[in-house]
Amino acid sequence: QQQVKQSPQSLIVQKGGISIINCAYENTAFDYFPWYQQFPGKGPALLIAIRPDVSEKKEGRFTISFNKSAKQFSLHIMDSQPGDSATYFCAARNSGGSNYKLTFGKGTLLTVNP
Amino acid sequence: EAQVTQNPRYLITVTGKKLTVTCSQNMNHEYMSWYRQDPGLGLRQIYYSMNVEVTDKGDVPEGYKVSRKEKRNFPLILESPSPNQTSLYFCASSSYRANYEQYFGPGTRLTVT
Repeated sequence: QQQVKQSPQSLIVQKGGISIINCAYENTAFDYFPWYQQFPGKGPALLIAIRPDVSEKKEGRFTISFNKSAKQFSLHIMDSQPGDSATYFCAARNSGGSNYKLTFGKGTLLTVNP
Repeated sequence: EAQVTQNPRYLITVTGKKLTVTCSQNMNHEYMSWYRQDPGLGLRQIYYSMNVEVTDKGDVPEGYKVSRKEKRNFPLILESPSPNQTSLYFCASSSYRANYEQYFGPGTRLTVT
C-alpha cells in the first residue's frame, strides 16, 4: 500500500525554468509534509516542510503548495539552476503516534540543463 | 558540527555472514531510525527507537535487529544477511526539541552476494 504517491519519476528542466513535483497522500492522519533533497552519495536533507493549516510556504526559490481537500501537495522550484539537479522526495508524517516515521514518495530525479 | 555518522560507508559481504552497521549522532537526539532505500521504492523504515532501551519495528523489519544501549548510538545488525538485503541504508535522528525533523546520515551501501 503506497501511502504517498509522487510524480513524475524524472524531470528535465532548462536553467531558469520552473520545476514542479507533485505528491498525493491517502492517510488523513498525516499532519506534517516535508520535502527532502538528495545528492548522489549523500543522505536526504530537509529542504522545506509544511503543515496542513497553511496552503503555501515559500523559502527562497522553493515553494510548497498544499491542498488539504484534495490531499495533494507539490514542490515548485523557481528559476531552476544546474545545482538543483538531485533526487527529491516528498514525505508525510503522523505526529499523533509514537513513531515519528516518515512515509516517503518514490522520488523524482530532477535534471536542470545549463 | 552536528551530524549523523555511519560506518562503514560501503560493504560487500556474503550470504549468512553476520554484520553490523554503526550509527552515531552528536546532537543528543532521543529518536533514531533506520531506513533502507531501494530504486523505485523510496525510503522505508526498518526500525526506530524513541530513546535508550526503547526500540520498535518499522515497515520492513524482517532480517534485521537493532539495539539502543546509549543515546548516541543505534547499530543495525544483520545476523544472516541475504541478497535481498542488498540496499542503501540510512540512519536518521531527531528530537522533540526540533519538531522531530529528521537528520540523515550519509548512507551505507551494502551488497550481499
